Amino acid sequence: DAKTTQPPSMDCAEGRAANLPCNHSTISGNEYVYWYRQIHSQGPQYIIHGLKNNETNEMASLIITEDRKSSTLILPHATLRDTAVYYCIVRVDRSGNTPLVFGKGTRLSVIA
Amino acid sequence: DAGVTQSPTHLIKTRGQHVTLRCSPISGHKSVSWYQQVLGQGPQFIFQYYEKEERGRGNFPDRFSARQFPNYSSELNVNALLLGDSALYLCASSWGETTNEKLFFGSGTQLSVL
Repeated sequence: DAKTTQPPSMDCAEGRAANLPCNHSTISGNEYVYWYRQIHSQGPQYIIHGLKNNETNEMASLIITEDRKSSTLILPHATLRDTAVYYCIVRVDRSGNTPLVFGKGTRLSVIA
Repeated sequence: DAGVTQSPTHLIKTRGQHVTLRCSPISGHKSVSWYQQVLGQGPQFIFQYYEKEERGRGNFPDRFSARQFPNYSSELNVNALLLGDSALYLCASSWGETTNEKLFFGSGTQLSVL
């Protein structure tokens, strides 16, 4: 079972920041927080991941609370192409097989 | 560079038949994973292969099997198809098998079992 809780859906106005929350209250010290998204009719796409510190890349920012029990994915200027299902996943840090465990994710609709 | 390619893109089978799905990873990637995505749900892990060896198996019946070839491409086989096997089957590749590897997914094979 997924170890994260996300709202089933969210709307965001085009050009505004989209803030997608994720609760992972049972996260362990060696578990990373990953975000993937899935645009309709495509496979999931990696966005960003982090352990403790906030992370930023060309796609998004990841803000992890100090107690690591929750995080927020921020798309700074959402466009219509960002409409997708966003998955928050916790994944243990170890060698060998550690498959991604997907929940149902958050369906983000960016509205013009 | 080409991404992960899967074939066929769509497939229709009847109950009891067998199906083979194919995946070509990104050049240089040695690990391939298979996921099943039923409509309205997130993808579920089926198998992972690394260097032609099975590294992990999800909670799927023995009707599901897979293999990886010397060129790192992979096949997923499903025997005795059931209606419930109707789903999008996703292949993902990564360079290695360590945790922090990003997975790159293909667009999937949509399987319909009638």
